[in-house]
Amino acid sequence: NAGVTQTPKFRILKIGQSMTLQCTQDMNHNYMYWYRQDPGMGLKLIYYSVGAGITDKGEVPNGYNVSRSTTEDFPLRLELAAPSQTSVYFCASSLLAGWTAAFTDTQYFGPGTRLTVL
Amino acid sequence: EDKVVQSPLSLVVHEGDTVTLNCSYEVTNFRSLLWYKQEKKAPTFLFMLTSSGIEKKSGRLSSILDKKELFSILNITATQTGDSAVYLCAVDSGSARQLTFGSGTQLTVLP
Repeated sequence: NAGVTQTPKFRILKIGQSMTLQCTQDMNHNYMYWYRQDPGMGLKLIYYSVGAGITDKGEVPNGYNVSRSTTEDFPLRLELAAPSQTSVYFCASSLLAGWTAAFTDTQYFGPGTRLTVL
Repeated sequence: EDKVVQSPLSLVVHEGDTVTLNCSYEVTNFRSLLWYKQEKKAPTFLFMLTSSGIEKKSGRLSSILDKKELFSILNITATQTGDSAVYLCAVDSGSARQLTFGSGTQLTVLP
């Protein structure tokens, strides 16, 4: 059981390039999330998904796209990289199996992807 | 807009000291408050709090929630250098359990 895995660990992009950050979880969690963390700041929600085929915007979605074709995978796409997207990106997942689970479960985070846009 | 504010932003103490970290929040649909510890990598879960006045404890760490005054505190007693980290407070307030994070408290414990 690997939990939440993310690739790559590090990446440097030039302005205008595109890339996909991969996220996979093997816990059969239905909820998945993408956060970004700028230096010295907390995490901000980019996009989230409540199940395969369903995605929704978070607090800072501009410049990003997501898809959720399977329960396990939740890739994040940057189409035209900008310096403002330099950040550490965390993927997370959680299980919401019922009302009581909502108060006992938590989000599990992947190790993060450090992205620099130059 | 949901808001989570942590204080202090940073704290430097010596081993053996006791520290109290603060978290206040303003959210429209509170479900729970969570504390995470982050050491140069992904946040690791510490506590989830849903009810006022019930203290959660794990070793030297403890936390309590006040839903009337909209805040929580995280206490660490007999601090050790291994407690040095950023402590993040987050509130679960979304329909899909999205988390709103504070900016964190950077704790440095000196030997």
